[in-house]
Amino acid sequence: EVQLVESGGGLVQAGGSLRLSCAASGFTFSNYWMHWVRRAPGKGLVWVSRIKTDGSITTYADSVKGRFTISRDNAKDMLYLQMNSLRAEDTALYYCARDLGGRATQWGQGTLVTVSS
Amino acid sequence: DIVMTQSPLSLPVTPGEPASISCRSSQSLLNSNGNTYLDWYLQRPGQSPQLLICLGSNRASGVPDRFSGSGSGTDFTLKISRVEAEDFGVYYCMQALQTPYTFGQGTKLEIK
Repeated sequence: EVQLVESGGGLVQAGGSLRLSCAASGFTFSNYWMHWVRRAPGKGLVWVSRIKTDGSITTYADSVKGRFTISRDNAKDMLYLQMNSLRAEDTALYYCARDLGGRATQWGQGTLVTVSS
Repeated sequence: DIVMTQSPLSLPVTPGEPASISCRSSQSLLNSNGNTYLDWYLQRPGQSPQLLICLGSNRASGVPDRFSGSGSGTDFTLKISRVEAEDFGVYYCMQALQTPYTFGQGTKLEIK
C-alpha cells in the first residue's frame, strides 16, 4: 500500500525555522517527482515546491523562493522541506504528494505549521 | 502564472441528482505531447485531496464511473451523474502544464 506520512510541523515564531519530513513507503520512491502543497486555514490549495526523481531539479513558488528548500534522500525514501524565515502567512497544513499532474498521484495526510507573529 | 477559475463556488445538490462544475484556465493546458494537464480533486473534511480525474478526462484508479471529466484547451467540466452522500466536499481543478502548478478556488458541493 502506498503511504506518505508527513511530520515535523508545529508552532514556531515568525522568523524561525522548521524542517518538514515525508516518509514514503509502498512504492519505488526514486522513480517519482515529489511535491509539497499547502492549505492555509479557510483557504484553498497552493502548490509550494517540487523535486525531480534524482534531486537534480527543484522548483518553488515565488512566495517561498529563497526561504524554503526541498530535498530528498532516495536511500531512505524521505522527502524534506526546510523552511526558514517563516512568516504568519506560511501558517498552513502542508501535504507531500507524489507525481502531481500524473496518473499515479498520491497525497499524505498533512502536517500543520503554525507561525505566530 | 496560469489562473484557474471555477464556477460555481457553492453547489447545493440533492442526493441522486446530477452535478456539474466548470473550470476555466487563463491559457491552454494542451501540451505539445498531446496531453492536457488538467486534474480534478475532491477534498472531504479532515481528509487529504483525492485525485478523481487526471489529464482532463481519465478517471483515477478506483474512482466510480459516475464521475467524468471533459473539455479541452481552456474550458473543462467535471460531471457527477448521480450525487451520493460520499461525494460531498470541496472540488478543485488543478493545472500541471507549467510551474507554479495552480488550483481553482474550490467548489463546495453541499447537501440541498
